[in-house]
Amino acid sequence: DGGITQSPKYLFRKEGQNVTLSCEQNLNHDAMYWYRQDPGQGLRLIYYSQIVNDFQKGDIAEGYSVSREKKESFPLTVTSAQKNPTAFYLCATVGWTGKGYTFGSGTRLTVV
Amino acid sequence: GQQLNQSPQSMFIQEGEDVSMNCTSSSIFNTWLWYKQDPGEGPVLLIALYKAGELTSNGRLTAQFGITRKDSFLNISASIPSDVGIYFCAGQESSGSARQLTFGSGTQLTVLP
Repeated sequence: DGGITQSPKYLFRKEGQNVTLSCEQNLNHDAMYWYRQDPGQGLRLIYYSQIVNDFQKGDIAEGYSVSREKKESFPLTVTSAQKNPTAFYLCATVGWTGKGYTFGSGTRLTVV
Repeated sequence: GQQLNQSPQSMFIQEGEDVSMNCTSSSIFNTWLWYKQDPGEGPVLLIALYKAGELTSNGRLTAQFGITRKDSFLNISASIPSDVGIYFCAGQESSGSARQLTFGSGTQLTVLP
């Protein structure tokens, strides 16, 4: 079945470290997104990419970086510049029909 | 960015009761979407609305796209325990725009037996 795979499910980071969250899709969708979710808040857009080798900043891009070298993959790096990285991170895609987003199952990142 | 006001923030209801939640926006949207998120999982699309005034059902769920295009509501009838979760509304300004999906802050639903 087609879908989105996010890994790992849980990730622990020491302060000062960079960590990379994986997002892989086999839906053949062009657009991919990264969202951050904090308790009691909606989803906030970090970065998005409409095509390979192109991506744009969302509303809270500071302290994060992405790449889009393949259509299937859109990894997110949480850098040491992100001062409050503990959150639930969601990857999503949209196909050409634009009928809503398909989400992955998320990665919970905790700073220890 | 755009702001969506979703209410209520949380609800505690008895099993079998009906539920209603809504979202309002200061901007016009061309698409309204309703998602449900189970704990520790990603949101799943429940209903998509594409035309002002549209009323769409999905089982016990009914959602409407407001006439002004600035609001939407979701009703759940005869709630059951598996309805527990966080419900999000989302609005999209234009179907051709890749990034323009704005989310409400969610409604946490608890169903008491």
